[in-house]
Parts: sequence; structure tokens; C-alpha cells
Amino acid sequence: SAVISQKPSRDICQRGTSLTIQCQVDSQVTMMFWYRQQPGQSLTLIATANQGSEATYESGFVIDKFPISRPNLTFSTLTVSNMSPEDSSIYLCSVEPGRETQYFGPGTRLLVL
Amino acid sequence: AQKVTQAQTEISVVEKEDVTLDCVYETRDTTYYLFWYKQPPSGELVFLIRRNSFDEQNEISGRYSWNFQKSTSSFNFTITASQVVDSAVYFCALSEASSPFGNEKLTFGTGTRLTIIP
Repeated sequence: SAVISQKPSRDICQRGTSLTIQCQVDSQVTMMFWYRQQPGQSLTLIATANQGSEATYESGFVIDKFPISRPNLTFSTLTVSNMSPEDSSIYLCSVEPGRETQYFGPGTRLLVL
Repeated sequence: AQKVTQAQTEISVVEKEDVTLDCVYETRDTTYYLFWYKQPPSGELVFLIRRNSFDEQNEISGRYSWNFQKSTSSFNFTITASQVVDSAVYFCALSEASSPFGNEKLTFGTGTRLTIIP
């Protein structure tokens, strides 16, 4: 398994601003994933981030809105840009150590006013 | 495209009753993985089980058991003698092992909210 931490755990932001969410893992992993969970909904993959390459975004998500950095094998950031109330969600990062199971961080609860 | 269906949106049972959460999946791949995750009110996603498509043996872990039926594309989850701490949203998920780096993205069902009434 893996121990994953996220910062911040929650935040309240004004529309039009940006928030950067950090994800830290206690071991080196090749792939890191960012998911969004809108209120009362399931999880939707935003993008996959491999170290040393550009993130791969899923349909409906674009780099300008959700830029991702992956500077090393234990860390990644997701920025939610130019936020609107529709961006209010839980954002979760996950990792997949050892090609088996994805383990999730505790999530970042974002409320946009 | 892969798809996971959890038809039960919400279930409520009285404590100590058994409860089964249904999961039906669709995929064109012959190699795939199925998962169950628990999301308690605190919000974190807790991994419960992973099963690959070649292993149809049922699994039991304490009060939890899983029934994988390839013939009906189902991967159901049963909690025996339910407890209040089992109250959570449970997600079934599917991934296709198509990447040399490991499993690809997880496709989640819509989740089943389970409430155990004391």
C-alpha cells in the first residue's frame, strides 16, 4: 500500500481565483491520478500524471483549467484555475504502487463561492 | 467502453442484518480488475478488495464476502451481521490492464449509500 497526504484538506475560495492542491506519497510511484467527486456523485478521473512527461487528460478536462505538475516520483500538484461554483467538489489523488491497486489520498474538499 | 452499474442508490438495514450490494460491469477486455472501495462520512476512499478477471473464487474477509460471477458480469459484496460502522458509500470499480505500467484508469460505479440503523 501507500501513505498519501493532501494539502489543503479543505478550502473555501472565491470565484475567479485558483487553488493548487498538493499530493505527497511516502514511496516512489510511476503513475499518479487525479479524480474529482462532485457533491453526491461518483469519482471521475481528471488526468494521469507520470513523472517526466505531460499529464494525460480525460475527455472533458483541459490543461488550462486543471494544470498538473509532477516534478518527482513522490509529489504532484493539481491547480483548479479560474474557479466557479461548479468546481466545488472533493479532489482526490491516487497512486498505484506495484501495478496492482490504486490507493487514495484523504481528499481536498473545495467550496467555491 | 467500460461501465460499472450499481443499481442500488441507497440501502438501509437494521444492525446485525446481512446486506448485499450489487455491482454489474461491462468491458470488452478479457483481462481486467474489479475493486470495491468504502467511503465513510469523513470522505477518504478505503480500498477493500481487488479481484482479477481470471480468479473467480469467492473471497471472505471477516464479515465481508465477495461473489464474482463472470457469466453474469457481476461482482457483489455482502456484509454479514452489519454494524453501524459499516455505514458509508460503497463504490465498485473496474480497470482494464492495458498499460505496461500497470492498470489504467478506474471506472467507478455511482455508489451505494449504506445506512445501518442501530
